[in-house]
Order: sequence, then structure tokens, then C-alpha cells
Amino acid sequence: DAGITQSPRYKITETGRQVTLMCHQTWSHSYMFWYRQDLGHGLRLIYYSAAADITDKGEVPDGYVVSRSKTENFPLTLESATRSQTSVYFCASSESPGWVPLHFGNGTRLTVT
Amino acid sequence: GESVGLHLPTLSVQEGDNSIINCAYSNSASDYFIWYKQESGKGPQFIIDIRSNMDKRQGQRVTVLLNKTVKHLSLQIAATQPGDSAVYFCADSFGNEKLTFGTGTRLTIIP
Repeated sequence: DAGITQSPRYKITETGRQVTLMCHQTWSHSYMFWYRQDLGHGLRLIYYSAAADITDKGEVPDGYVVSRSKTENFPLTLESATRSQTSVYFCASSESPGWVPLHFGNGTRLTVT
Repeated sequence: GESVGLHLPTLSVQEGDNSIINCAYSNSASDYFIWYKQESGKGPQFIIDIRSNMDKRQGQRVTVLLNKTVKHLSLQIAATQPGDSAVYFCADSFGNEKLTFGTGTRLTIIP
């Protein structure tokens, strides 16, 4: 089925460990985004990508790394997880950054202990 | 959209009644606005959008109203159903830049 798939749905990791969240979309959208959602802050943009091999920082990029070697995949890596990175992470894709709806995945709930 | 603090505003509506969810935005130059619905455990789902050259747009059971003078956006849901229970939030953008999201309103439908 066409759509955007995130994995894993749930992840528990320890402080200091590296963890990678996966995102795969089947629409061939140019733009892909990573957001985190925390109570009181809404959706905050971590990183985004306009095309393969083109990425840029969002509002809260510190502690995260992204790559986009293929149009359909946009993994997010926490290089050394901290408790403040406990959150729900959403991946999204769209044809352009601002004038069309973003299509979201169902999220990854990450807990850092 | 703009932040409204640590606690989500809540709205409780009787099943079958109409719901009106409000959103204030801060950028007077914003030219694109969108509403999302987020059910528990799921990602945000697109409901309806509107451009700044319009004041009103209707979809299936939903209407978005845009008041640029006071920088206010509202979502009206007609004849609310139990499945409408969710968090609703708005987002806006300017000049095809990235969307800015509000924190949302929790809508609860009373049977």
C-alpha cells in the first residue's frame, strides 16, 4: 500500500546509546521531514530534506543526524541518546515544503532511560 | 499556529452538535493554512486547507474559516460523531516555507 511507514513503533533505549528511527515513503515525494511531538510544544521540526542527498536543520536539530541516500528513505539517528530526547517522533513527506499537506507516518514512541 | 502553553485546550461537544475549534496564528504574512486531526496513537491526518485569498472553504462535514484581520482560523465540524474525538491542530506557512504547527485542541464527543 502507498504511504509512509515508520519503524519501530516503540523503542526503549538507554542514555548514551545510538538509536536509528526509520522512515520509508512510497509516494516519491521530494520533501521529507522529521518532527518530534512533546506535550506543550506541539510538533517541532528536527530536520528536513528537499531531495536525495540534500538535508537541512529545522528548529531542534541538536543531538540528531539524518541522511537521505534514496528518495524513499529518511532515517533519523540519535548519536548518543539523552533523556530529553524521550518523545514521539513523526516522519512526514510532501511534494513541496509549505503549500501542500504533509503526509505523516504513525510515529515512533522513543523512551530513553 | 502558536503555542498555547503546557495544557491542551479542551472542547467537549454533544454528539450530533456542531463543533468549532479555534486557532490563532502569529504571522500576518502567512498565506497557507491547514488543519490536522490526530487520533490517539496515530500520526496527524490532513483534514482541510485554505489559502489566504479565500475566507471560507468547505469539505465533507467540515468548514474552515479564515479571518486575516485578526489572524484567526477556525474549523467547524457539523453533526459531530464519536469518531471525531481527537486532537485538532492548525498550521500555517508563508511563501512555500515550512509549516508552523500549533499545539492543538482536544475534542471530546459526549454520547
